[in-house]
Amino acid sequence: DTAVSQTPKYLVTQMGNDKSIKCEQNLGHDTMYWYKQDSKKFLKIMFSYNNKELIINETVPNRFSPKSPDKAHLNLHINSLELGDSAVYFCASSQVGVAGYEQFFGPGTRLTVL
Amino acid sequence: AQSVTQLDSQVPVFEEAPVELRCNYSSSVSVYLFWYVQYPNQGLQLLLKYLSGSTLVESINGFEAEFNKSQTSFHLRKPSVHISDTAEYFCAVSDGFQKLVFGTGTRLLVSP
Repeated sequence: DTAVSQTPKYLVTQMGNDKSIKCEQNLGHDTMYWYKQDSKKFLKIMFSYNNKELIINETVPNRFSPKSPDKAHLNLHINSLELGDSAVYFCASSQVGVAGYEQFFGPGTRLTVL
Repeated sequence: AQSVTQLDSQVPVFEEAPVELRCNYSSSVSVYLFWYVQYPNQGLQLLLKYLSGSTLVESINGFEAEFNKSQTSFHLRKPSVHISDTAEYFCAVSDGFQKLVFGTGTRLLVSP
């Protein structure tokens, strides 16, 4: 069974469109994250939710809106896509109280904006 | 604020040779340290972690890392690499709260 899954794996779209990426974890964790990995492989956290509440919101354009319908799901909606949004987006999860907050990552969604 | 520096963007090495990937961190509080590996077109997998206790930590596939508080380092080593170790390696630091801060990654290229 996949621990952290994301859909779709690849997403190709035109500038100005709106798109969503979905993430689900079956590890029973209470915290989920979105990371962005740019073309130089640099990984940066975007958002974190704990028990459906937003706890980390880095400097991200407000075109990006995360939504957590329950502890096991964290979706990312992006409005008015721009060329610079092209990247690989990773979802991750962890459990508060587990030392070091080890995070488990999904396989990534490669977003290409044309 | 925490930060991680991986000085080597790419490390080429021949198969069966030893390798060291360098990681230095900056933090004003106690830290937890991680090495993640990313194989081509895949997500990140935890390779090993330092939380407390013994400063030398090992992974199941022969990698080890040593936490050195005085040098604020957490270098990753393997005595003999395989072709299959070719991947991107990320060092990361956490202060115990939810945020992981990653280094810029080191690409390990193993050739025959």
